[in-house]
Amino acid sequence: GAGVSQTPSNKVTEKGKYVELRCDPISGHTALYWYRQSLGQGPEFLIYFQGTGAADDSGLPNDRFFAVRPEGSVSTLKIQRTERGDSAVYLCASSFGDRDQETQYFGPGTRLLVL
Amino acid sequence: AQSVSQHNHHVILSEAASLELGCNYSYGGTVNLFWYVQYPGQHLQLLLKYFSGDPLVKGIKGFEAEFIKSKFSFNLRKPSVQWSDTAEYFCAAFRGGSYIPTFGRGTSLIVHP
Repeated sequence: GAGVSQTPSNKVTEKGKYVELRCDPISGHTALYWYRQSLGQGPEFLIYFQGTGAADDSGLPNDRFFAVRPEGSVSTLKIQRTERGDSAVYLCASSFGDRDQETQYFGPGTRLLVL
Repeated sequence: AQSVSQHNHHVILSEAASLELGCNYSYGGTVNLFWYVQYPGQHLQLLLKYFSGDPLVKGIKGFEAEFIKSKFSFNLRKPSVQWSDTAEYFCAAFRGGSYIPTFGRGTSLIVHP
């Protein structure tokens, strides 16, 4: 595809359940970012991958959140024991990764609702 | 910690009015600045960015922004808005050498035809 894709577009789950959110970056982009956006707020950084490794995971709120990118392309954000406060739009972005602070290309997001 | 402030949370204008959206950042060192836009039902996309050089930056769709270092500001402007400019606008800042941006909370712009 031409852009960043994310699945599912919407996810409704119950408190305490486990969820996985998927991001498919633009082909050839080595850098991948996950953000969380709550209602009325801007994107909040969660984790940044350069290739297969997590270069910076300082934004993950706690150990219930985990992300992987095993082959340096698709990434999965995993949330264990979901809480109502996890409800938000989860955004993924990718970039070429050649240098810092370059333009990031965003996906449409996954809207997560925890009941 | 660095923060980015967007003081106008909601702006309502009529077509042809001029627009200025405020953005202030807190970091005092080298900083690079971006404006992103999210049209209804669409992804976040880049509007313009400032890295160095001319502090007046031109972006897409007639938007521009001015970097004023002494005021820690990067305000977005457009001389005459259109109904199609209705969107959420986000300012973002990178500290020098960092890969991680800090976003403001966004400004919702509604333009009445």
